[in-house]
Amino acid sequence: QVQLVESGGGVVQPGGSLRLSCAASGFSFSNNGMHWVRQAPGKGLEWVACVWSDGNNKYYADSVKGRFTISKDNSKNMLYLQMNSLRGEDTAVYYCATPLSGNEHYWGQGTLVTVSS
Amino acid sequence: DIQMTQSPSAMSASVGDRVTITCRASQGISNYLAWFQQKPGKVPKRLIYASSSLQSGVPSRFSGSGSGTEFTLTISSLQPEDFATYYCLQHNSFPLTFGGGTKVEIK
Repeated sequence: QVQLVESGGGVVQPGGSLRLSCAASGFSFSNNGMHWVRQAPGKGLEWVACVWSDGNNKYYADSVKGRFTISKDNSKNMLYLQMNSLRGEDTAVYYCATPLSGNEHYWGQGTLVTVSS
Repeated sequence: DIQMTQSPSAMSASVGDRVTITCRASQGISNYLAWFQQKPGKVPKRLIYASSSLQSGVPSRFSGSGSGTEFTLTISSLQPEDFATYYCLQHNSFPLTFGGGTKVEIK
């Protein structure tokens, strides 16, 4: 079955960096693009970034553009989100998710990132 | 960027009620719209994809409709387990955008 397991969350000071990882299994990771979605405490869902199947095309929310970098390693079935210049408003649970098209769609359990001094 | 305006933001309803939630896109998105349900402390769950296709395993009381700029999620007969927050998401163009959410509470 499909499994997505995020890791790498934690507490970081404003201006700091963190790299999130998402380990994928149970589906053809190399043939699928992937997304990161986040949810600040008590707030709604916010799409963060997407990377195409081959890792070459990447798209970002305006709120993270220039600070976050999405990448995928198809040889390891891993998705990453490098987050730099972190701000308080980046505090959220971060989820990785499979593509939105088609009848199969999965999310991981999420990893909490807290930006605080 | 495409804005997704979801209404209402909250509502109270009783078990057995018919519930309708609407999302309006600021520009046409064809049928690239999905609906998600989220319960407190849980991961969002997709209910509807491609505007009107029911996700496998989702009860048939959930349905979606619309195309272009106006979309609707309908719960034909609200059940106790349906009290949750619902979100629409457009994936016609980047950046993808969610609606603000609709919290469905018990009346």
